[in-house]
Amino acid sequence: AQTVTQSQPEMSVQEAETVTLSCTYDTSESDYYLFWYKQPPSRQMILVIRQEAYKQQNATENRFSVNFQKAAKSFSLKISDSQLGDAAMYFCAYRSAGSGYALNFGKGTSLLVTP
Amino acid sequence: SQTIHQWPATLVQPVGSPLSLECTVEGTSNPNLYWYRQAAGRGLQLLFYSVGIGQISSEVPQNLSASRPQDRQFILSSKKLLLSDSGFYLCAWSFPDRNTEAFFGQGTRLTVV
Repeated sequence: AQTVTQSQPEMSVQEAETVTLSCTYDTSESDYYLFWYKQPPSRQMILVIRQEAYKQQNATENRFSVNFQKAAKSFSLKISDSQLGDAAMYFCAYRSAGSGYALNFGKGTSLLVTP
Repeated sequence: SQTIHQWPATLVQPVGSPLSLECTVEGTSNPNLYWYRQAAGRGLQLLFYSVGIGQISSEVPQNLSASRPQDRQFILSSKKLLLSDSGFYLCAWSFPDRNTEAFFGQGTRLTVV
């Protein structure tokens, strides 16, 4: 089974600054998808960004971008120009061909944004 | 567009009582359906998934069961709740291929007392 590791339980960033959240995963598959989800205090899971493993180009969505290193099995999330609304739990997830294509999540990183 | 409804939002149940959480999806057909549990300060643990009516797969042996009586309805049940069943339960769906993300309901906070 694939494992997803987020080694930073908590991170803090000042408003307008940049922060990078780390994620590593273990897999023997060559084709897969990776995701970052945001869970604000409302606990609604919100997709932030997705990355297809066969694409070498890193995904970008406005202020959010990823650094995908396939050989290193690393998938970090960079948040630029941080805003107070970015404060949330962030989960890295791997979509596996097994288990009905269910997402396999890391334990999450709690991001605090300070004024 | 597709929507997912999950209810109730909050539930407090005594130990030994039954449980029924319901999830429905609108705007799509034959979705893959999932139940996750999120313990305090932890990630999401996959409990069950379903790729079709009546097809249920369990990821973790436990006190819970799931059913899919209709194409877009997914139910999480228990005959007798344990204290350890407390947590935040999330239903999710995805299109029946691997090229998309999962879409989540708003969750149910279950407290077993």
